[in-house]
Amino acid sequence: AQTVTQSQPEMSVQEAETVTLSCTYDTSESDYYLFWYKQPPSRQMILVIRQEAYKQQNATENRFSVNFQKAAKSFSLKISDSQLGDAAMYFCAYSWRAGTASKLTFGTGTRLQVTL
Amino acid sequence: DAGVTQSPTHLIKTRGQQVTLRCSPKSGHDTVSWYQQALGQGPQFIFQYYEEEERQRGNFPDRFSGHQFPNYSSELNVNALLLGDSALYLCASSFSSGLSSYEQYFGPGTRLTVT
Repeated sequence: AQTVTQSQPEMSVQEAETVTLSCTYDTSESDYYLFWYKQPPSRQMILVIRQEAYKQQNATENRFSVNFQKAAKSFSLKISDSQLGDAAMYFCAYSWRAGTASKLTFGTGTRLQVTL
Repeated sequence: DAGVTQSPTHLIKTRGQQVTLRCSPKSGHDTVSWYQQALGQGPQFIFQYYEEEERQRGNFPDRFSGHQFPNYSSELNVNALLLGDSALYLCASSFSSGLSSYEQYFGPGTRLTVT
């Protein structure tokens, strides 16, 4: 069974600074997708970034980028120039082939606080 | 373009009762997945519906059942409610083409409290 582990229950970053959230996963599959989702207090889960396992290049979306280490089964999220609106729960998630009739498996989340 | 909608927003039920939660997918989506998110935890997959059939199921008892209608909307039913069923229930929709389905979009969730 696939598992996703987030070892940082809480992180804090000052506005305009950079923070990295960690995630490790376990799978025997070679073709899969990894995601970072953001869940603000409004509860709605929002996709931040997606990485296809077959791509060696790390995904980037504006201020958000990932460090994907396939051999180490590590998938960290870097948030640059942090903003107050980035404060939320962040969940790392795994899916076999981008949700091909397949469930998302989530980690337990990291609560990110952004301070002035 | 309306996103994924869920109703009701909040719900309070008593142990032993039955509950029905509803989800309307994003326009153009035909696949609906349901997740249970206990307080302080990540969401757990309950099941997924496509073409009005349950396509995949997570590790949840038979008390959890669902349905998908011809307009792709979906219901989640939970019978014989337990205190442990208290959680945020999230619906996610996506588009499937053959065996592939794409990015899942989440609704705001229904907060169920069982007393």
